[in-house]
Amino acid sequence: DVVMTQTPVSLSVSLGGQVSISCRSSQSLVHNNGNTYLSWYLQKPGQSPQLLIYKVSNRFSGISDRFSGSGSGTDFTLKISRVEPDDLGVYYCGQGTQYPRTFGGGTKLELK
Amino acid sequence: EVQLVESGGGLVQPGRSLKLSCAASGFTFSNYYMAWVRQAPKKGLEWVATISTSGSRTYYPDSVKGRFTISRDNAKSSLYLQMNSLKSEDTATYYCARRDGNYGGYTGWGQGVMVTVSS
Repeated sequence: DVVMTQTPVSLSVSLGGQVSISCRSSQSLVHNNGNTYLSWYLQKPGQSPQLLIYKVSNRFSGISDRFSGSGSGTDFTLKISRVEPDDLGVYYCGQGTQYPRTFGGGTKLELK
Repeated sequence: EVQLVESGGGLVQPGRSLKLSCAASGFTFSNYYMAWVRQAPKKGLEWVATISTSGSRTYYPDSVKGRFTISRDNAKSSLYLQMNSLKSEDTATYYCARRDGNYGGYTGWGQGVMVTVSS
């Protein structure tokens, strides 16, 4: 199974600040078809998760350009710039390259 | 707009069964793989099952394989999860999710339904 390791577990940020979240996989997430199925999700308090980033660096429909994803192979990063109150919650990375599908343990973004 | 509405959760004793349902609307259900993802209280996300568009292929993690069965009825735009031999560690909120192959991720989520396994 692919183990997804997210760091840090929690993060404190001031409004308007910038943060980075790391996600590392125990195996390469490059699929046989050449795509890398690494996604980022945000779960706001009391809500269901929502897709932010797909295939490493593509923003999903309606997602602000303050969110950016990067990385390759086994090492990935989510950056959030100009943090707003609505960005707070728990961020998860997830891989869709192989079964079983797996998620990182989550990174909680809080206000400083 | 993608809408996924789960139902069927509740309190159940260990060893018993429960069946979850998910009613989909706002998209052509039969065109998408569908999945169940769960979240134990105060814990992270755990993938539980995926089913292909026709229902001919299903996938499970070892933690539920042989106990859980995912199915779908494309005519009713509905997804199901039959859970047998439930254990306390199955206690979680269960989310129905739309898997989009173009994105390689889950592009729609339900509000979730709580399942509590306890005597």
